[in-house]
Amino acid sequence: GAGVSQSPRYKVAKRGQDVALRCDPISGHVSLFWYQQALGQGPEFLTYFQNEAQLDKSGLPSDRFFAERPEGSVSTLKIQRTQQEDSAVYLCASSLGAGTRIRTDTQYFGPGTRLTVL
Amino acid sequence: GNSVTQMEGPVTLSEEAFLTINCTYTATGYPSLFWYVQYPGEGLQLLLKATKADDKGSNKGFEATYRKETTSFHLEKGSVQVSDSAVYFCALKGSARQLTFGSGTQLTVLP
Repeated sequence: GAGVSQSPRYKVAKRGQDVALRCDPISGHVSLFWYQQALGQGPEFLTYFQNEAQLDKSGLPSDRFFAERPEGSVSTLKIQRTQQEDSAVYLCASSLGAGTRIRTDTQYFGPGTRLTVL
Repeated sequence: GNSVTQMEGPVTLSEEAFLTINCTYTATGYPSLFWYVQYPGEGLQLLLKATKADDKGSNKGFEATYRKETTSFHLEKGSVQVSDSAVYFCALKGSARQLTFGSGTQLTVLP
């Protein structure tokens, strides 16, 4: 079956531009996560959705970062007025469950969007 | 808060050598532990997981045992292949919903 897909795979932006990154989770998955992976580092949590509700956005690094999942399926991560420090790979992951299963459920990752800010 | 400390790389081995990648963690309660692998040009894939103390996760010849007494989840494989060359990430999930990752270990296996 189809996995998590992300688009675009690569994005080059000039400093100050706004960008939008898309994530299509596995069909039926309740939970959706966004992570940021800097070069040579492990992914770091940005935000979490359960269906359409954004339950945790504690990892968003600034108010220039905004995420939404309006119909509980596709999600978009938007970065306004991009800065060079925003250059990273942005990963989306989804998992089937929520609630008490969240601790053990496997998260399935997309291929990521590599953002380069010049 | 939660944290994961991974053996620093890069690690270079000859084919058929024994592999150990160390991973220790700090967490409250009883986290689930994971190893993810990232092959060149591909996304993160779950390699194995263990959800409670003394559980052993295994897949593709890789194994890791959840050791609560030493807060460790070391990855091992008895005989590595060139195709195992990748970056390996140890991760945990505790009471929070998200994964906390280590910094990754680059493995290169030479023929």
